[in-house]
Amino acid sequence: GESVGLHLPTLSVQEGDNSIINCAYSNSASDYFIWYKQESGKGPQFIIDIRSNMDKRQGQRVTVLLNKTVKHLSLQIAATQPGDSAVYFCAENRNDYKLSFGAGTTVTVRA
Amino acid sequence: GAGVSQSPSNKVTEKGKDVELRCDPISGHTALYWYRQSLGQGLEFLIYFQGNSAPDKSGLPSDRFSAERTGGSVSTLTIQRTQQEDSAVYLCASSLVGTTSGSGANVLTFGAGSRLTVL
Repeated sequence: GESVGLHLPTLSVQEGDNSIINCAYSNSASDYFIWYKQESGKGPQFIIDIRSNMDKRQGQRVTVLLNKTVKHLSLQIAATQPGDSAVYFCAENRNDYKLSFGAGTTVTVRA
Repeated sequence: GAGVSQSPSNKVTEKGKDVELRCDPISGHTALYWYRQSLGQGLEFLIYFQGNSAPDKSGLPSDRFSAERTGGSVSTLTIQRTQQEDSAVYLCASSLVGTTSGSGANVLTFGAGSRLTVL
C-alpha cells in the first residue's frame, strides 16, 4: 500500500557534525513534501517544504533533497546542535489538503 | 493569538467517560485539522475543516469520535465512552490556505496537543 516512511527510527550524531535524515514515499502522485520537527512535549514545528518540481531547497542550516526517481526525501542539518535533538517527521501531500506523516526519526545529539 | 491553542493540555479520565478537547486556531486561518499521535507513532489524520465546506471526517476511527467547528474558528473534538486505546496526544493544526493547489503552500501550524489518558 501507499505509505510515507523513514529508513531509520533513531539517529545519534556528534555535535557539530552534519545529520542526514531519510524518508521514502511510495505515491508517485504526491506533489508536496514537508519536514517537521517535534520536541518533547510540543507540537510539530515546520522546518522546510519542497514541491515535486524541485529537487533541492535550502533553508537556514537545513537542506531538503527530493529524488523522484527513487521516491526518496532527505533532510540535511548542517553543524548539528544540541537544540536539534527532536523527532523529525516527513509528510507527504496526497491530495489537496491532507498531509500524511511518517513514523518519525528520533535524533539525539551527543556533546 | 499568535499560535494554535489547545486545552486541556492533559486529561486523565476513566474508561466510559466522555471527553471534550478544544482547539483555538490562528486567527484568519481557514483550515483546521485534528491529528492523533499515539506513543512513539506518527500522526494519524482524524478530521479536516475548511471554511463553510462539509468537513472531511474520513479519519475518525469510530462513531464515538466527533468534531465540530463553530463560527469558522474554535473547534471541539469529542470522544464518547472513552476506551483505553483512545489514549494518545490529540493535535490540532490550522493553515492559511488549506490546499497546495496553485502557489499556495499548505504549511500546518500545530498546537502543543492535548494528552489524553484513559484509565
